[in-house]
Amino acid sequence: GAGVSQSPSNKVTEKGKDVELRCDPISGHTALYWYRQSLGQGLEFLIYFQGNSAPDKSGLPSDRFSAERTGGSVSTLTIQRTQQEDSAVYLCASSLEAEYEQYFGPGTRLTVT
Amino acid sequence: SQQGEEDPQALSIQEGENATMNCSYKTSINNLQWYRQNSGRGLVHLILIRSNEREKHSGRLRVTLDTSKKSSSLLITASRAADTASYFCATDAFQGAQKLVFGQGTRLTINP
Repeated sequence: GAGVSQSPSNKVTEKGKDVELRCDPISGHTALYWYRQSLGQGLEFLIYFQGNSAPDKSGLPSDRFSAERTGGSVSTLTIQRTQQEDSAVYLCASSLEAEYEQYFGPGTRLTVT
Repeated sequence: SQQGEEDPQALSIQEGENATMNCSYKTSINNLQWYRQNSGRGLVHLILIRSNEREKHSGRLRVTLDTSKKSSSLLITASRAADTASYFCATDAFQGAQKLVFGQGTRLTINP
């Protein structure tokens, strides 16, 4: 079946602009995660959605970052007033339920100039 | 600080040899997972081992978990050029948030 998809695959934006990154999880997966990976680094947790529960936003680095998940499926990560340090690959993952293996999308490479 | 720390940071071996990567973590966990990443993009799930398991196999992969030492190892046997990638361990905190905490990864290079 289809895996996790993300769009766009690459995004170049000017400092100060807002960006929206989209994630389509695997159908039926109740848990959805956003991570960020800076150049040559491991993955940094950003936010986690599980069913209808309140999301775990503990990893969001600043209030410029927000995410929503509509209808328990598609998720959008929004970064307002982008900064150069926001440049990274943003990865989305979904899992059947919490505590199960996570399946990752190909990521969105964000470059802030 | 990172929950998982991989060792070594980089490993280069000849095709056909075995590759062993280690991971240490700091707090109690529900499970530990290993992922592979090619070309800095999407991660591929390799294997999940639960805290009450000690060893798990999947094809050429063998994972061990020692909860007393808070460490895990990933063994790839009979390595192939296609195994060249970065390998990450990830843990989720016992009775904690379901987020995965990743280490910095081991960069594995298989030389033909």
